[in-house]
Amino acid sequence: NAGVTQTPKFQVLKTGQSMTLQCAQDMNHNSMYWYRQDPGMGLRLIYYSASEGTTDKGEVPNGYNVSRLNKREFSLRLESAAPSQTSVYFCASSDTSTGTHSNQPQHFGDGTRLSIL
Amino acid sequence: TQLLEQSPQFLSIQEGENLTVYCNSSSVFSSLQWYRQEPGEGPVLLVTVVTGGEVKKLKRLTFQFGDARKDSSLHITAAQPGDTGLYLCAGPHGNQFYFGTGTSLTVIP
Repeated sequence: NAGVTQTPKFQVLKTGQSMTLQCAQDMNHNSMYWYRQDPGMGLRLIYYSASEGTTDKGEVPNGYNVSRLNKREFSLRLESAAPSQTSVYFCASSDTSTGTHSNQPQHFGDGTRLSIL
Repeated sequence: TQLLEQSPQFLSIQEGENLTVYCNSSSVFSSLQWYRQEPGEGPVLLVTVVTGGEVKKLKRLTFQFGDARKDSSLHITAAQPGDTGLYLCAGPHGNQFYFGTGTSLTVIP
């Protein structure tokens, strides 16, 4: 059972470079999420997608774009990386067929550790 | 300030001791979840509480949702080294989903 797979696991960028973080889930979940995790701040929601073809801003969307390519895949793009975007990024998926942000668990990948110099 | 504040931020205890972790907000939540995260991995759901005053038990872990649905607590009885990890509360509010600031627990053998 792969669950949620994130690539790459580690990445170092220079300020101003762009990159895309990939996420895929094999649980047929309708909702997918991107979070960033910084020390002392828990996880903060960047963007989420409640269904294929829809995306919505989370708490901290500035500097990021997302694409829900199909039901399985949800990518996060940094167009011009900044040192403030150094963080650990987590993708998650959930069955929210009963409503957005339902009580169903979110299933997480193992994260992408991104450093921006 | 974040919508969900957890305390304490760090906790280091001896094996066999009891502990309580708190998750507080000034806002009402329809439900709250508790996750545990181990180094190098994503969070894993422990429990969901949905009714004010609800108490759920998971082996040595007891979760409580406040009557006003603004707070929750996690109590661990007789902590073991395997309980070591980052504990996070989380829940939906409006059209957003929020995680707490986290409590890092270390249980010393």
